[in-house]
Amino acid sequence: NAGVTQTPKFQVLKTGQSMTLQCAQDMNHNSMYWYRQDPGMGLRLIYYSASEGTTDKGEVPNGYNVSRLNKREFSLRLESAAPSQTSVYFCASSELGPRSYNEQFFGPGTRLTVL
Amino acid sequence: KNQVEQSPQSLIILEGKNCTLQCNYTVSPFSNLRWYKQDTGRGPVSLTIMTFSENTKSNGRYTATLDADTKQSSLHITASQLSDSASYICVVIRNSGYSTLTFGKGTMLLVSP
Repeated sequence: NAGVTQTPKFQVLKTGQSMTLQCAQDMNHNSMYWYRQDPGMGLRLIYYSASEGTTDKGEVPNGYNVSRLNKREFSLRLESAAPSQTSVYFCASSELGPRSYNEQFFGPGTRLTVL
Repeated sequence: KNQVEQSPQSLIILEGKNCTLQCNYTVSPFSNLRWYKQDTGRGPVSLTIMTFSENTKSNGRYTATLDADTKQSSLHITASQLSDSASYICVVIRNSGYSTLTFGKGTMLLVSP
């Protein structure tokens, strides 16, 4: 049982480049999330998917797109990277939606630097 | 504004000592409150989840308390170990809206030998 896995672990981009962060979970969870964590700030929700086939914006969605490819996989795409998107990105999953009384399981994170 | 404030920002204690971390929130309407532990370079790991009707919840040497009237929570760590060195994050979940999770900035705890 790997839990939540993320690829890549590290990435350096130049301004304007695009990339996709991959996330997969093997716990048969319905809901998946993408967060970013910046120094001195709490985690902030970018997008989430309450169930397969649905996606919703979180607190900071601008500059990002997501795809819930199937129940296991939830990807985050940066179409034109900007230095302000330098951050650590975490994927998480839970059995039920964000308001439910259930635990979110986090991946190990992707450290992204945009030059 | 929905906010979660944690104190202290950082804390150093000697191995074997106890400590208490604080979390004050203004999030409304309240659904539940969670404490996470985040080791350096890793993702957060859940310690406890509490609803408004739960005053205390324990997970080994970790005990969380919640006072929904004063909108305060604390995390007490007993007999600290070196492996407790981490950031402890308080998260409050609203019962409405799309952005339902509000994260605190965390308390960085260092347990010194």
